[in-house]
Amino acid sequence: GNSVTQMEGPVTLSEEAFLTINCTYTATGYPSLFWYVQYPGEGLQLLLKATKADDKGSNKGFEATYRKETTSFHLEKGSVQVSDSAVYFCALSDRGGGSQGNLIFGKGTKLSVKP
Amino acid sequence: DTGVSQDPRHKITKRGQNVTFRCDPISEHNRLYWYRQTLGQGPEFLTYFQNEAQLEKSRLLSDRFSAERPKGSFSTLEIQRTEQGDSAMYLCASSGGTGTYEQYFGPGTRLTVT
Repeated sequence: GNSVTQMEGPVTLSEEAFLTINCTYTATGYPSLFWYVQYPGEGLQLLLKATKADDKGSNKGFEATYRKETTSFHLEKGSVQVSDSAVYFCALSDRGGGSQGNLIFGKGTKLSVKP
Repeated sequence: DTGVSQDPRHKITKRGQNVTFRCDPISEHNRLYWYRQTLGQGPEFLTYFQNEAQLEKSRLLSDRFSAERPKGSFSTLEIQRTEQGDSAMYLCASSGGTGTYEQYFGPGTRLTVT
C-alpha cells in the first residue's frame, strides 16, 4: 500500500543553518507530493507541492524536488529562521488505484530553531 | 476570510456520550475530507465526499462514526457512544477545481473523552 516515511525528529538548528528533512514514499500510481507545516497552536498549512517527476515545489525559501528514481521528496531551506519552528509533514495523494485523492501523511518532523 | 472552518474547536465529553462536529469548507470546493490526528502522528484519512456523495470510507471509520454532507456544502461528523480511544484532533479539509488535489485544512476540533 501507499506510505510516507519521514526522518524522525526533533530537529534542532541554529538560526541561519541549512535544513534538510528527508521524505521517501511508496505508491502504486502516480502520486502528487506535498509538504504541510503546522505552527504551534495553528492548523495545517500547505507549504509546497509537486505533481510529477522532476517538478520542484518552492515557497517561503523552502524547496523540494520530486525524485521518482529515489522515490523521495526531501524538504530543504538554505537559512532557517526562528519563525520556521514548527512541525513539518510530508504527504502524498495517489489518484490511481481507486483512491479519491485522500492524503497519506508521514508522522511529522518537529523543527526547533534557536536564535 | 473564506478558509475552512470547524466547530466546535474543543469538545470534552464523557465516555458513552454522542458528539457531533461541523465543517464548513471553502465555498467553491466540491471535495471534502475528514481526518483524525493523534498526538505525535500525522493525520489519518477517515472519509471523503464529492458534493453530497460519500465516496470513500477508511477502515478506521467504525460503525460508531457517521458523516454527512446533505447539500454538498457543510459536513457533519458524528461519533456515537464515545470511547477514550476516540480522543484526538478531528480535521476537515476541502479541495476543488479540475486536476487540483491540494487540500486546505481547517483548524480542527479537539475531542477529549473522559
